[in-house]
Amino acid sequence: DADVTQTPRNRITKTGKRIMLECSQTKGHDRMYWYRQDPGLGLQLIYYSFDVKDINKGEISDGYSVSRQAQAKFSLSLESAIPNQTALYFCATSGPLAGGSYPGTGELFFGEGSRLTVL
Amino acid sequence: GQNIDQPTEMTATEGAIVQINCTYQTSGFNGLFWYQQHAGEAPTFLSYNVLDGLEEKGRFSSFLSRSKGYSYLLLKELQMKDSASYLCAVSLLSNDYKLSFGAGTTVTVRA
Repeated sequence: DADVTQTPRNRITKTGKRIMLECSQTKGHDRMYWYRQDPGLGLQLIYYSFDVKDINKGEISDGYSVSRQAQAKFSLSLESAIPNQTALYFCATSGPLAGGSYPGTGELFFGEGSRLTVL
Repeated sequence: GQNIDQPTEMTATEGAIVQINCTYQTSGFNGLFWYQQHAGEAPTFLSYNVLDGLEEKGRFSSFLSRSKGYSYLLLKELQMKDSASYLCAVSLLSNDYKLSFGAGTTVTVRA
């Protein structure tokens, strides 16, 4: 099983609908992130959370909200989806700043991705 | 802010070598990652450089020059399965170690 799991993997919805993308992880990491990927633009950070009580906006947070329900769960919501939110969304985690393969680096571990299409 | 540049596309022949360059202009640089991403899939870790010099891992090598703000990823003995996007990402002390990504380089390997 994947260490970082996203649901749903694919979703087609209509303009104005509310959508939630869920992410759960078994890596025991405190830090979790939501990224959006569009062709030619790379990965853009939407929101991030460094622990359960910490939520921060990223580069492109407008139109999105998040909830950190537990250390292992971080969900992304689109309150009223619009077509330009059609994209591939990735959840990611990063480990402690000491210990592990690359301590103090910010190495990211990604979920499989959620492809969202807004019509 | 961060400015991370890499070429958009590269094409090479099976068995050949390809070098993907990445330049960055950042403050508070900590280290640099390379990720591989096949179409529609999640990025996967390839390499990490924090000190100047070359890191070799089998067919893949990555180089860093901190003073020049420059890195490259070298792919040797190219195989068809190496056709993918390669993402350069910078870790910044000044940004709580969050990664900032370049737009990615799509490498196409032809027979």
